[in-house]
Amino acid sequence: DQQVKQNSPSLSVQEGRISILNCDYTNSMFDYFLWYKKYPAEGPTFLISISSIKDKNEDGRFTVFLNKSAKHLSLHIVPSQPGDSAVYFCAASGNQFYFGTGTSLTVIP
Amino acid sequence: DTGVSQNPRHKITKRGQNVTFRCDPISEHNRLYWYRQTLGQGPEFLTYFQNEAQLEKSRLLSDRFSAERPKGSFSTLEIQRTEQGDSAMYLCASSHPGLGSEKLFFGSGTQLSVL
Repeated sequence: DQQVKQNSPSLSVQEGRISILNCDYTNSMFDYFLWYKKYPAEGPTFLISISSIKDKNEDGRFTVFLNKSAKHLSLHIVPSQPGDSAVYFCAASGNQFYFGTGTSLTVIP
Repeated sequence: DTGVSQNPRHKITKRGQNVTFRCDPISEHNRLYWYRQTLGQGPEFLTYFQNEAQLEKSRLLSDRFSAERPKGSFSTLEIQRTEQGDSAMYLCASSHPGLGSEKLFFGSGTQLSVL
């Protein structure tokens, strides 16, 4: 039973434009959400997080938005850079961490 | 390097053999997690430890899998009688919930190939 879903397996964006990665979840008891970035042959690295009591968190070029009523969160990267090309996983924290299936972002120079 | 360390990075084995992986977490982290990831999927939870106590195990963790964290520091994950379906990336992560909102720090993983 997939409690965290990323419905777009891939996304291509031109350098300098905005990248928007989406994530949906089913469990309203999740209290904390995270985004991870993964390069090939490496483990995921933490990118940004948001508590369920907030609707936005910003860190430099990265902003995460949370819409609790829709059980939806998104990661905005602006401006996108070629080095941002990687697989992005969203995760939700309850009694353990649940991960989505990932979105592969390609930023085209 | 004070990150999470996993050994070996790659393991190729024949079906039916036993394999053991090791994870050294970040030293001040008291929680240690094992995840499995296959191609096109996100990390799937296997088990986690709080210090030396194994607090939760996924139903994905069949009786061929066993994990230990004997002194609350490093951990080992053993797979007995490996099957081809065990081929995956095995990820270890550590965290310290007391240092603000919990976030996982992952190692580079052990890529297992069962022939």
